[in-house]
Amino acid sequence: AQKVTQAQTEISVVEKEDVTLDCVYETRDTTYYLFWYKQPPSGELVFLIRRNSFDEQNEISGRYSWNFQKSTSSFNFTITASQVVDSAVYFCALGSGYSTLTFGKGTMLLVSP
Amino acid sequence: NAGVTQTPKFRVLKTGQSMTLLCAQDMNHEYMYWYRQDPGMGLRLIHYSVGEGTTAKGEVPDGYNVSRLKKQNFLLGLESAAPSQTSVYFCASSIEGLAGGDLSYNEQFFGPGTRLTVL
Repeated sequence: AQKVTQAQTEISVVEKEDVTLDCVYETRDTTYYLFWYKQPPSGELVFLIRRNSFDEQNEISGRYSWNFQKSTSSFNFTITASQVVDSAVYFCALGSGYSTLTFGKGTMLLVSP
Repeated sequence: NAGVTQTPKFRVLKTGQSMTLLCAQDMNHEYMYWYRQDPGMGLRLIHYSVGEGTTAKGEVPDGYNVSRLKKQNFLLGLESAAPSQTSVYFCASSIEGLAGGDLSYNEQFFGPGTRLTVL
């Protein structure tokens, strides 16, 4: 069975601080995919990144970066120089087996000015 | 393109009433999903469909039924609503998962959500 753990329920930072959101996953499949989604206060879910199990390269997109480590089954997300607009709930998700995603419970990030 | 749309946006039901939530996508996606989101629980999959005419159970299917009569629409039904079904419901779609014979997960595109309250 698949499982995604986001141990941080809520994180509060002050603008311009760096923040890392943790994601630990469990799966017995050798081929799997990991995702991050953002849910701002408006409620919609926004896709941020997809990573497959064969690609352990870290990725950077502007202020966002992702660190994938198969050895520790982790796919952590870092926001550099956080901004108020980054305030949202962030979900990590795992896809393995047939076509469905397993989501973590989410981490609420509050960035204050 | 409208993407994924959901109807209605809000609804209040009394216990025992029935209703249908409609999800529509205009991206020609094969796969469609229904999730519910509850505080502290993340998103949990109710039912999903891998193509027109197909449906399958997810993690929390009890009390719900679905139908996928047309590729672009995925309906979620509550036959006899219960207060435990108070939640925010999200529909999502994705392009076909199979690529070159190997399962390939493509990102899911989500609708804006339906907030349902059952009294």
